Amino acid sequence: EVQLLESGGGLVQPGGSLRLSCTASGFTFRSYAMSWVRQAPGKGLEWVSGVSGSATDTYYADSVKGRFTISRDNSKNTLYLQMNSLRADDTAMYYCAKEGGVTPMWGTDNWGQGTRVTVSS
Amino acid sequence: QSVLTQPPSASGTPGQRVTISCSGSSSNIGSNTVNWHQQLPGTAPKLLIYGNNQRPSGVPDRFSGSKSGTSASLAISGLQSEDEADYYCAAWDDSLHGPVFGGGTKLTVL
Repeated sequence: EVQLLESGGGLVQPGGSLRLSCTASGFTFRSYAMSWVRQAPGKGLEWVSGVSGSATDTYYADSVKGRFTISRDNSKNTLYLQMNSLRADDTAMYYCAKEGGVTPMWGTDNWGQGTRVTVSS
Repeated sequence: QSVLTQPPSASGTPGQRVTISCSGSSSNIGSNTVNWHQQLPGTAPKLLIYGNNQRPSGVPDRFSGSKSGTSASLAISGLQSEDEADYYCAAWDDSLHGPVFGGGTKLTVL
């Protein structure tokens, strides 16, 4: 059974930084792309960033490009999202998502339970 | 403003059949497959349909998907109260180099 467990969310001031982690189990981690998808309170889903299975290719939404960095450690079955220069509109539930293939083109087939990020002074 | 367009709401009575549309463009739905995700109240999303019309193991055959050109649809037959949820379509976008989601459709079972 695929399990994705996010951690690292919390309350941070505007301009601050936060690092999210997602520990995966139940599948061959290195064989699948992974993504972060967020959902602002009362809003829809927004893809944030993705990384290929081998970590050679990364993808970012324009809204976070230059501020967020996605990475993965295949030896630890863990996905990361380093978030810098956080803004109020980054406030959201952040979901770790497993993709259906080696690149994010395949689409998400499993979701974590999410970790909440609140950016506020 | 979402790249994929869905109606914000839909409704039906138990046993009815409802459909939810998802409209895109040649760079997303027109050239890539569509997935549908169900989000029950207060929970994380869950994959409902992948590859336009395939159901993951465990998803009832009451749920079906289709695609034609730059649009896709999700159909739910034999509507049940537990189907009350938000439904999202998604597809890779070749121009944006990333996946895009619809704005979501809130399904109410009357």
